[in-house]
Amino acid sequence: GAGVSQTPSNKVTEKGKYVELRCDPISGHTALYWYRQSLGQGPEFLIYFQGTGAADDSGLPNDRFFAVRPEGSVSTLKIQRTERGDSAVYLCASSLLGGSETQYFGPGTRLLVL
Amino acid sequence: AQTVTQSQPEMSVQEAETVTLSCTYDTSESNYYLFWYKQPPSRQMILVIRQEAYKQQNATENRFSVNFQKAAKSFSLKISDSQLGDTAMYFCAFTLLEGGGRAGSYQLTFGKGTKLSVIP
Repeated sequence: GAGVSQTPSNKVTEKGKYVELRCDPISGHTALYWYRQSLGQGPEFLIYFQGTGAADDSGLPNDRFFAVRPEGSVSTLKIQRTERGDSAVYLCASSLLGGSETQYFGPGTRLLVL
Repeated sequence: AQTVTQSQPEMSVQEAETVTLSCTYDTSESNYYLFWYKQPPSRQMILVIRQEAYKQQNATENRFSVNFQKAAKSFSLKISDSQLGDTAMYFCAFTLLEGGGRAGSYQLTFGKGTKLSVIP
């Protein structure tokens, strides 16, 4: 596609439920990043993929969060046993090779945990 | 660890006027990149301008320019001839030249943002 796409645009769930957030990067981009943006804050790094592998998951807040990128393109961020504190906008970005190139962001998924 | 500070939570400017957004950062590294991203209400982060720390010349992109002061660790954004479409959140961001974290991740570290309103 022309840009990074993310689905769903908005997600409302109940505390304790499981959610999956999808990111479709720019075609051919090998690097993919997930960020979380809480209200009134800048985005915070969660995880970085180079190809299919999670090269750096140091930003994941706890083991309820997990992400995959099985074919080196689409990525899914998975959150188990959601908590109200997980409410945020989840942003995905991709870049061509993963160096210091520009990261192109998607429009994000707004997650609300009731 | 690197930190980015934006001390102006909100700013406003008259249409066609000039405004400067401030950003300071803290790092012990000498080779890095700095960015300004714009986030309109649509939530999509859009790159406005980037600066390589090893370049002394300030980056310019049309109406957008930066004042990069490496010794002071300051990176301000100047918007000239402000337009209504410039209304957005502006984020200053940082990444290391050689990557940081594990496996050379080029993750971005962001400030908290400045909300800019352009007044007609």
